[in-house]
Amino acid sequence: DTAVSQTPKYLVTQMGNDKSIKCEQNLGHDTMYWYKQDSKKFLKIMFSYNNKELIINETVPNRFSPKSPDKAHLNLHINSLELGDSAVYFCASSRDSNYGYTFGSGTRLTVV
Amino acid sequence: GESVGLHLPTLSVQEGDNSIINCAYSNSASDYFIWYKQESGKGPQFIIDIRSNMDKRQGQRVTVLLNKTVKHLSLQIAATQPGDSAVYFCAENSRDYKLSFGAGTTVTVRA
Repeated sequence: DTAVSQTPKYLVTQMGNDKSIKCEQNLGHDTMYWYKQDSKKFLKIMFSYNNKELIINETVPNRFSPKSPDKAHLNLHINSLELGDSAVYFCASSRDSNYGYTFGSGTRLTVV
Repeated sequence: GESVGLHLPTLSVQEGDNSIINCAYSNSASDYFIWYKQESGKGPQFIIDIRSNMDKRQGQRVTVLLNKTVKHLSLQIAATQPGDSAVYFCAENSRDYKLSFGAGTTVTVRA
């Protein structure tokens, strides 16, 4: 069983479109995250959710809207996609803030 | 702002040799450190961690050293194998729900 699974793995879309990425974890963790990895492999936190509540919004444009329907799911919706949104997006989860994170395999988003 | 950084972006190592990857951190509040390995097309994978009350921790073929005085972290890989080729990240946790990553070191193992 995959611990943290996200779909789709690849997403190619045109500028201006709206798209969603889904994430699910079966580890029973309370905290979930979205990270963005740029072309230079730098990983940057976007959002943190603890027990379905938003904890961290790291100055992400409001075109990005995370939603956590329950502790096991954290989805990411992106409106009006821009070229600069092209990146790999990783979902992760952890037991709480004092433990390591388990990452999904990533969604490569390409905006054309 | 404070960040976690790595000293070298790339490291080339002969198969069978030992590898050492270094990392400097700047947040004094960080008390938990993790090394991750990321292979091409995959997500970061946990390798080993260390808490601030320790200065050394060993796993299978890997050792992490922590020097809090100079805010330095290193990962040692013994008898490096082709499967060790990947990007390695150090990460620091200050319990603020945002694990901070360094820029990564790309390790290439030569046969």
